[in-house]
Amino acid sequence: NAGVTQTPKFQVLKTGQSMTLQCAQDMNHNSMYWYRQDPGMGLRLIYYSASEGTTDKGEVPNGYNVSRLNKREFSLRLESAAPSQTSVYFCASSGGNQGYEQYFGPGTRLTVT
Amino acid sequence: GQQLNQSPQSMFIQEGEDVSMNCTSSSIFNTWLWYKQDPGEGPVLLIALYKAGELTSNGRLTAQFGITRKDSFLNISATIPSDVGIYFCAGRRTGANNLFFGTGTRLTVIP
Repeated sequence: NAGVTQTPKFQVLKTGQSMTLQCAQDMNHNSMYWYRQDPGMGLRLIYYSASEGTTDKGEVPNGYNVSRLNKREFSLRLESAAPSQTSVYFCASSGGNQGYEQYFGPGTRLTVT
Repeated sequence: GQQLNQSPQSMFIQEGEDVSMNCTSSSIFNTWLWYKQDPGEGPVLLIALYKAGELTSNGRLTAQFGITRKDSFLNISATIPSDVGIYFCAGRRTGANNLFFGTGTRLTVIP
């Protein structure tokens, strides 16, 4: 039982390049989330998917797109990377006692030059 | 956006001491969660709270859901070096599926 896995672990992009961050969970959770973490800012929600087939914007969605490929997988795409998107990106899924406990992946460290 | 004020921002504690940290919000929350993050890792869930006044323990950690539903507290007793890390609170409003996170308390334990 791997929990939440993310690939890649590290990535360097040039401004304007595109890439997709992958996330998968094996806990049979319905909801999945993408966050970014910047120094001193805590975790900010980019997009989330309450269930397979649905996605919603979070606090900072601009410059990102997401795809809920199936119940297990939720990907985050940067179409044209900008230096302001340099950050650590975390994927999470939620389940537990009342379904609100979020479990996080190990993160992807992205640098845009 | 939703503001979660977490304090203190950082703490330097002698090994063996107890520590307390808290989180306050401008809105009423129905769920409070506490996470710990080690360097280079994702946050790990420590304690989840679902009822006002609830007090829950996980080993040396104890967390409380404030009576006003606008705050939560985390206590760590008899700190050890592996307690070092950043502790985050997170809260969920009624009807919301997502969480709001505090900015974290960085704990340093001095052996």
